[in-house]
Amino acid sequence: AQSVTQLDSQVPVFEEAPVELRCNYSSSVSVYLFWYVQYPNQGLQLLLKYLSGSTLVESINGFEAEFNKSQTSFHLRKPSVHISDTAEYFCAVIMDTGRRALTFGSGTRLQVQP
Amino acid sequence: NAGVTQTPKFRILKIGQSMTLQCTQDMNHNYMYWYRQDPGMGLKLIYYSVGAGITDKGEVPNGYNVSRSTTEDFPLRLELAAPSQTSVYFCASSYSGPGESSYNEQFFGPGTRLTVL
Repeated sequence: AQSVTQLDSQVPVFEEAPVELRCNYSSSVSVYLFWYVQYPNQGLQLLLKYLSGSTLVESINGFEAEFNKSQTSFHLRKPSVHISDTAEYFCAVIMDTGRRALTFGSGTRLQVQP
Repeated sequence: NAGVTQTPKFRILKIGQSMTLQCTQDMNHNYMYWYRQDPGMGLKLIYYSVGAGITDKGEVPNGYNVSRSTTEDFPLRLELAAPSQTSVYFCASSYSGPGESSYNEQFFGPGTRLTVL
């Protein structure tokens, strides 16, 4: 079955420390990969995406993710987090089956502490 | 542009009642989606639409119905509310065209928090 796994449900980290949020997927077809962020009581916002080309993609607020096809992973990293990064982060994929709908992981809550 | 709007923001229903969750987008997107988010879980697809007049089931369609009479609107109907439908509901839209534009980002509404008692 096609699925997305986020290995950590919660990640506590101190401000200015680096962080990695892990995401693995299983699919027998081509995938297109996304990270969404959800701030408290808000909808989801796109953080970054991988469709093709360079396997390292970056967001405007310092996050980056690397597509690793051999390990079927798309981990999200940031070298130095801020309090304002506290949120829920969802990894999601569109599998090339024609539906175009996202399959989501269960989410990782990033808690940045001062 | 308002993007994707949803009404209401909150609602409490009694078991067996019915209601319609409204969703409107003003970006002329062809694809629209309904997801539900349960605590500690990712979003699950309920229904989706590829254009006006065309809808299809997602992963968890039981207990719900949808219609898409216009490009802008994609209402979700709950006919006989059950406690298992207590959740946060998100509507989303995207434009899907040829090539890589088939996989454009989805834009999400702010959500409707529904409680069934």
